[in-house]
Amino acid sequence: DAKTTQPPSMDCAEGRAANLPCNHSTISGNEYVYWYRQIHSQGPQYIIHGLKNNETNEMASLIITEDRKSSTLILPHATLRDTAVYYCIVPFNDYKLSFGAGTTVTVRA
Amino acid sequence: DTAVSQTPKYLVTQMGNDKSIKCEQNLGHDTMYWYKQDSKKFLKIMFSYNNKELIINETVPNRFSPKSPDKAHLNLHINSLELGDSAVYFCASSQGADATNEKLFFGSGTQLSVL
Repeated sequence: DAKTTQPPSMDCAEGRAANLPCNHSTISGNEYVYWYRQIHSQGPQYIIHGLKNNETNEMASLIITEDRKSSTLILPHATLRDTAVYYCIVPFNDYKLSFGAGTTVTVRA
Repeated sequence: DTAVSQTPKYLVTQMGNDKSIKCEQNLGHDTMYWYKQDSKKFLKIMFSYNNKELIINETVPNRFSPKSPDKAHLNLHINSLELGDSAVYFCASSQGADATNEKLFFGSGTQLSVL
């Protein structure tokens, strides 16, 4: 069912930018790319979403390639509190948001 | 002040029992969801209600029965609990019914352990 591919894990140094890749080669023209994260023992938290243009908010930036087949979530200055599982999601066109395995990001001091 | 709150946070029970998990959202959203997160950490949608009407019903055993008394509440009742029901259950809400174009707000989860 998964429409996205993410690396299973990655490490990042505290204070550095974390770049999280996601492939979604079968995305269709009107499908958004969403990013959520889940910190241990908490519910998932919305981060950002986009369609074509790059997006930025107080949490992160989302860079989507021109062909829309991949995207990168950027955490500009990672902190220890950013350690979490990050989910890149392209929702099915049937009102459902399905979560895959995600990328486990560990920020190290 | 919690936007989406669910109770209880932990639920330990014996096989065969019936239990309920409650969820409330104070965001004024029209749509609420139940998700199940299994031991492999995959999150799967179970149900979705929009303005008290069921709009998504995944292939979930009919021992699971959601009930929405009003659009701010979505409860999950589970009959005849089985070992395989052990998981973390998350409630969520969104403004509209189309989760493909909405931000979802999640509760902190209910860890159900069936012994």
